[in-house]
This record gives sequence, structure tokens and C-alpha cells, in this order.
Amino acid sequence: DADVTQTPRNRITKTGKRIMLECSQTKGHDRMYWYRQDPGLGLRLIYYSFDVKDINKGEISDGYSVSRQAQAKFSLSLESAIPNQTALYFCATSDWTSGNTDTQYFGPGTRLTVL
Amino acid sequence: GDSVTQMEGPVTLSEEAFLTINCTYTATGYPSLFWYVQYPGEGLQLLLKATKADDKGSNKGFEATYRKETTSFHLEKGSVQVSDSAVYFCAPPTRGRNSKLTFGKGITLSVRP
Repeated sequence: DADVTQTPRNRITKTGKRIMLECSQTKGHDRMYWYRQDPGLGLRLIYYSFDVKDINKGEISDGYSVSRQAQAKFSLSLESAIPNQTALYFCATSDWTSGNTDTQYFGPGTRLTVL
Repeated sequence: GDSVTQMEGPVTLSEEAFLTINCTYTATGYPSLFWYVQYPGEGLQLLLKATKADDKGSNKGFEATYRKETTSFHLEKGSVQVSDSAVYFCAPPTRGRNSKLTFGKGITLSVRP
């Protein structure tokens, strides 16, 4: 089984709808991240969480919100989806508490299309 | 803050050609350095890393040496294969509890048979 899972894998929705993307991990890592990937723009950080009580904005957080429900779960919400939020979304985790070098482990991605 | 500069892509090579993808970093001290790879339809995965100066990271025939004197971590492979076609990301240095990674555009490598 995959260590980092994302649901759904694909989603098509309409402008104005509320969407939640979910991420779960079985690696026991304390840090979790949400990125979006767009052609020509690479991978950009939306939000990150260093532990359950720590949530931080990334470089492109406008229009998004997150919830860290547990160490293993980190959800990304689009309160009112718009077409320019059409992108590939990745969740990632990393571990610092054991003194590791913060290697990130990525989920398989969610392809979101907003019509 | 710490950052990286990665050469612009895309890169197209013939099979068995030599590959170099340049990456230079700006950092204080001795951070850890990483290369990640994204194969078509997949998420990013760690390709190799180095945690101190003069370390050589290697994996799947790829190598990168952490060169403090030139602040570089160039990715090399002696003979690329079609299966190496992917997007390669040189990740910013990491250090301590406040590290977070942003990956930039990456470089698309296409290998022709």
C-alpha cells in the first residue's frame, strides 16, 4: 500500500463549488504539505503544517484553506472553486523529529478541473 | 534565505548520451541538498541527496556531488536511457525545523531512442 494517498485522484467541478482534497499518510511523519503544479510554472507551495497545531501559508494560499485533522491527515479546501485553480495537486510529507534530512514523500496527485 | 538556481530546460538527448543538469545553491552553513524526479503521471520522488560537503549522492546511475567551493550540486549520468525521460527538480537546501521545500519549474528531459 502507498505511504501517502490522495483522494480523489481526479475531480471535475463547476465554478463556485466547494471542493475538498484529502491526504493521508502512514509514514508517521509530522510535516505535511500541499502543492499545486501547473505547466510552465512548476510546483508551488500552497500550505504546510509542521505538526497538528502548526499551519502556515505557502506562496499561493489565496483561495485555499487547510485542516490538519490528525498527524496522518491534511485536507485542502477550495471554498469557491474558480477555473484558474485547475491544476494537479500534490500532498507531501516529511520527517524532522528523528533528525532526518527532511526528504519529502509525495502522493500520486489529484487532477482537478474547474469548469 | 537559502535558494537554488537550476538551468533552464527542456533538454533532449539521444539514448546513451551523457547528461549534466546544472544546479547551484545559495546557503549559509552546510545544508542538505536534493534532486527529485517526476516520471510521467506520477508524483515527485527523491532521486538522490547529499548531507555534507564533498558527499556524492547516487541512484539509478545518476550522481551529484555536493561541492562547497563552487556551491553546486550538478546532476550527471553517463549514459541516459529512454526510461530516464522525466522532469528533474533541484530542491532548495534544507536545514533544521524551519525548512520547507519549494521546487520551482524543474527541467524536462526527453531521451530519444
